[in-house]
Amino acid sequence: SSELTQDPNVSVALGQTVRITCQGDSLRSYYASWYRQRPGQAPVLVIYGENNRPSGIPDRFSGSNSGNTASLTITGAQAEDEADYYCKSRDSSGNQVVFGGGTRLAVL
Amino acid sequence: QVQLVESGGGVVQPGRSLRLSCAASAFTLRAYGMHWVRQAPGKGLEWVAAMSADGRDKLFADSVEGRFTISRDTSKNALYLQMNTVRADDTALYYCARNSDPGSTWFFDLWGRGTLVIVSS
Repeated sequence: SSELTQDPNVSVALGQTVRITCQGDSLRSYYASWYRQRPGQAPVLVIYGENNRPSGIPDRFSGSNSGNTASLTITGAQAEDEADYYCKSRDSSGNQVVFGGGTRLAVL
Repeated sequence: QVQLVESGGGVVQPGRSLRLSCAASAFTLRAYGMHWVRQAPGKGLEWVAAMSADGRDKLFADSVEGRFTISRDTSKNALYLQMNTVRADDTALYYCARNSDPGSTWFFDLWGRGTLVIVSS
C-alpha cells in the first residue's frame, strides 16, 4: 500500500493563514479527505473531494490538490483550530485506505 | 440523533479473541460503506477494515488480514469487528466510521467515540 506524508508539526500565528500538506502517489488517482482531531475527541471531517466542506465547518477551511499533493488551508486561524490534522486517501490499488501520519497544528 | 456507538472493548490476553460492536442510530447501516479505524495510544490514525454498502466487499489492512473479520447485522443495524489472535500492537482505541461517498473518494463523515482495546497478559 502507498503512504501519505505530512509534516509532523506546523504552527501559525492567530489570524494568519496556514497550509498543511499531504504527499503521496495515490493522490494522483484519489482525492484526499481531511480530518481534525482535538485532544480526547474523535476525528471530524473538515474537507472532502475537490474542495468540499461538511455543514458546520467554517469557510476558513479549504482544500486543494495538485499532482501528488493535497493541501488543507486555514485562512485566519483561530485558537480552536489547534488540533491534529490527518489526510486520508485510498492506496494506489484502491483496495486499502491510508492515513497520513498527522500534523499537529499549534496556533500561537 | 445520527450517531455511531462502539462497544465491546476491554483487556484481552495475547492470542485471544474479542468482538467489537458499532451500533448505528437514526440511519440505516446497509445504505453506507462502513469502516473501522484504530488509534494506538499517542499515535496516529490507522485504517483497519471496511465493508461495502451491499455487504459483498470486505477489505482489510495488511496488519490485520487473516486475523480480523468484519460483519454486520442489518436487523440490529450494527457493525462488528471480530478480532482473533490479538497481539500487543492491536492495543488501540477503535472507531467505526461511515463512508458517505458513493464514488471513489471514500470520506468518513460520521465517527463514533471509540472503544478501547488493551492487549495484555
